[in-house]
Order: sequence, then C-alpha cells, then structure tokens
Amino acid sequence: DVYVVQSGGGLVQPGGSLRLSCAASGFPFSHYWMNWVRQVPGKGLEWVASISHDGSEKYFVDSVKGRFTISRDNTKDSGYLQMNSLRAEDTAVYYCVRLDWTDVAYWGQGSPVTVSS
Amino acid sequence: QAVVTQEPSLTVSPGGTVTLTCDSSTGAVTSGHHPYWFQQKPGQAPRTLIYATSKKHSWTPARFSGSLFGGKAALTLSGAQPEDEAEYHCLLSYSGAWVFGGGTKLTVL
Repeated sequence: DVYVVQSGGGLVQPGGSLRLSCAASGFPFSHYWMNWVRQVPGKGLEWVASISHDGSEKYFVDSVKGRFTISRDNTKDSGYLQMNSLRAEDTAVYYCVRLDWTDVAYWGQGSPVTVSS
Repeated sequence: QAVVTQEPSLTVSPGGTVTLTCDSSTGAVTSGHHPYWFQQKPGQAPRTLIYATSKKHSWTPARFSGSLFGGKAALTLSGAQPEDEAEYHCLLSYSGAWVFGGGTKLTVL
C-alpha cells in the first residue's frame, strides 16, 4: 500500500517560517515527482510547488516564488516544503501529493498552517 | 497563468447521470494536460478518481468515467448514489506547473 504521511504545520506569526515534511512508502519514491497543494478551509485547491524525481527541476505558483522552497531526500523517501516570509493569505491546509502525470495521485493527510499574530 | 473552470454546483437525482466539465482558458483540453479528477468529502483529503484523462484507480467505482468532450475534460457519473455527494476537483498540467479548477459541489437529491 502507498502511504504519504505528513508532519509539521501549526501557528506562526506573519513574517515567520515553517517547514513541512512528508514521508512516503509503498512505492519507489525516487521515481516520482512530488508536489505540495494547499486549501483554504471551505475553498478550492491550489497547487503550490513541484519537484522532479531527482530534485533537478522545481516549479512554484507565482504567489510563493521567492518565499517557499521545495526539496526532497531520496535516501529518506521524504519531501519538504520550507515556507518563509509567511503571510496571512498563506493560511491553509497543506497537502503533500505524489503527482506524476500518468499515474494515480496519492495525498497526504494534510497539515494545517495558520499565519496570525 | 491559465485559469481552469468547473461548474460551481450541480445536482443529480439518485440513479441519474451527470457530467462535470473542466475547461482551460488557454484553449481545448487535450490528453497533454493529463487531466485528473479528485473527489473530496468534508474533513477529508482529496482522493484520485480519474487520472490521465480516463484511467481509474482500483477504488474508483465503475459508475465514474473520464473523457475529453467538446474541448473540455469531463467526468461522468452514471447511476448516482447518495455517497457520491461531494466536491469534485479537476487538475490540469501546464508545462511543469499544475492548475486546479474551482471545484464542483455535487448534490445527490
């Protein structure tokens, strides 16, 4: 079975930083792109960032460029989203997603992030 | 950045058929957009129903099907069940980036 288990998240002040992690199992992690998607409660889904299987390619939605970084450690089957200069509008549930164009997408359980003073 | 559009809400009768669509502001949706369809129920993470336009996961009920129709991606539900009431999200690929539609709230009533 495929599992994507997330950790991190919580309450942070505006301008602060937070790191989200996800640990994957049940599939060859180093073969798949990984993504982060967020959802403001009661609203739709927004793709945030993606990283290629070997980390050589990274893409971000315009609203987080220069503030968020995405990384992975294939030796630990883990992915990360480093969020800096956080704003109130970054408040959302963040999902780690195995998303690879031609295969089933698997979602983590979600990590709530609240940016508030 | 592209804008992906879905019907905000639809209603279907139990046992009925309904088609949800996913439109791209950049032109016709093709297989090159690698359309996904996700189902999300309150308090839960989304789960994949359809990937690569029309492929199903083992957990996808047979009553769901994906296709391209009229320049859009489409999700058809044939024989709606009460448990199909949920939010449905489409997702399209644009050269390394992804864009979600706004979601369709499907009511079975």
